[in-house]
Amino acid sequence: SQKIEQNSEALNIQEGKTATLTCNYTNYSPAYLQWYRQDPGRGPVFLLLIRENEKEKRKERLKVTFDTTLKQSLFHITASQPADSATYLCALAGGYQKVTFGTGTKLQVIP
Amino acid sequence: NAGVTQTPKFQVLKTGQSMTLQCAQDMNHNSMYWYRQDPGMGLRLIYYSASEGTTDKGEVPNGYNVSRLNKREFSLRLESAAPSQTSVYFCASSRMTPGQGGNEQFFGPGTRLTVL
Repeated sequence: SQKIEQNSEALNIQEGKTATLTCNYTNYSPAYLQWYRQDPGRGPVFLLLIRENEKEKRKERLKVTFDTTLKQSLFHITASQPADSATYLCALAGGYQKVTFGTGTKLQVIP
Repeated sequence: NAGVTQTPKFQVLKTGQSMTLQCAQDMNHNSMYWYRQDPGMGLRLIYYSASEGTTDKGEVPNGYNVSRLNKREFSLRLESAAPSQTSVYFCASSRMTPGQGGNEQFFGPGTRLTVL
């Protein structure tokens, strides 16, 4: 069955460092991959989308890579700030399939 | 421009009671979705509506019904609530239909439902 894995352990990093979150998937051939941010008590907010034929996408301090051979996406936040603390969800979709979400990784940026 | 709105924000039900969760979007989006989010399980799709007049089952549809009232509104009904339906429910909308490239979803604030 299709499976999306995100590190369930919280990621703690020092302010100013680069945070790297991982999304791995199996039994899936997604056409595109999305990353969302979710703050406590709120709905997810879309951040970035990357297509299967793209290796990398950037938006301000955010960078996403997509390796369809490794079946993995990496999400980077450079010069991290305490305001970046949140749970980050990856989501995949392919063909006419609906978007499937991972369980998310909680990021804590320590001042 | 309110985006996606959901009512109510909180609800407590007794087992066997029924209720309807309301969702509306003002972005003229074609597709709308209902998810539930449980600890350790992530977001799971209950039902979706690719366009006005159509609805389809998602991953966990049992115990739920939906109505796409018009392009703006998509409601979720629990006919006979069970404790297993205790969860946070999110409504979302997207401009394109499921599976189309760039199907960015916009989420509402959620409804926190407890079934006793």
